[in-house]
Amino acid sequence: NAGVMQNPRHLVRRRGQEARLRCSPMKGHSHVYWYRQLPEEGLKFMVYLQKENIIDESGMPKERFSAEFPKEGPSILRIQQVVRGDSAAYFCASSGEGDLTTEAFFGQGTRLTVV
Amino acid sequence: KNEVEQSPQNLTAQEGEFITINCSYSVGISALHWLQQHPGGGIVSLFMLSSGKKKHGRLIATINIQEKHSSLHITASHPRDSAVYICAVEDRGKLIFGQGTTLQVKP
Repeated sequence: NAGVMQNPRHLVRRRGQEARLRCSPMKGHSHVYWYRQLPEEGLKFMVYLQKENIIDESGMPKERFSAEFPKEGPSILRIQQVVRGDSAAYFCASSGEGDLTTEAFFGQGTRLTVV
Repeated sequence: KNEVEQSPQNLTAQEGEFITINCSYSVGISALHWLQQHPGGGIVSLFMLSSGKKKHGRLIATINIQEKHSSLHITASHPRDSAVYICAVEDRGKLIFGQGTTLQVKP
């Protein structure tokens, strides 16, 4: 049973390009959470999704950022027109239920560098 | 004030020492998680607590719900324990993180 899979592990984008980060949850998990870790800062919640639904996007920047979790395929975090301040590690976690009644399962993260 | 506060922020210990990392929170929670992160690495879940105490090898985690406080203890510390330890509280499924404690264990 593979864990939470994120790809790519490292992503370099020029300012103004789009970044697409993928997260495949653990088998059987239907809840996905995205978190961002800015350099020298702690982790911050971005968005919580179920299949085909955004449950909580209170941590998402209002512009340029979007997330989806389609019925089939991985969850995608999309950042349009990237800026240097978007450089960070983006982590995905998954759970089988809405409340994390078991331990949290995280992916290895995608490290985005905007040049 | 952050909703989750950890102390200390940085900790250096000699191999074999007993280590304690503290976490206080100010929000209502359904559970508290202790996580470990190595430099440039992923995040590993160490414990999920909703009450009492849990032990895993040399690691012990406790939580006092009334006082809104949790501690992570490492007994007989080893250089491979060097990492960032993160306390996170769960609020309706999403996690709210402390700033992390950077631990360095010297041989």
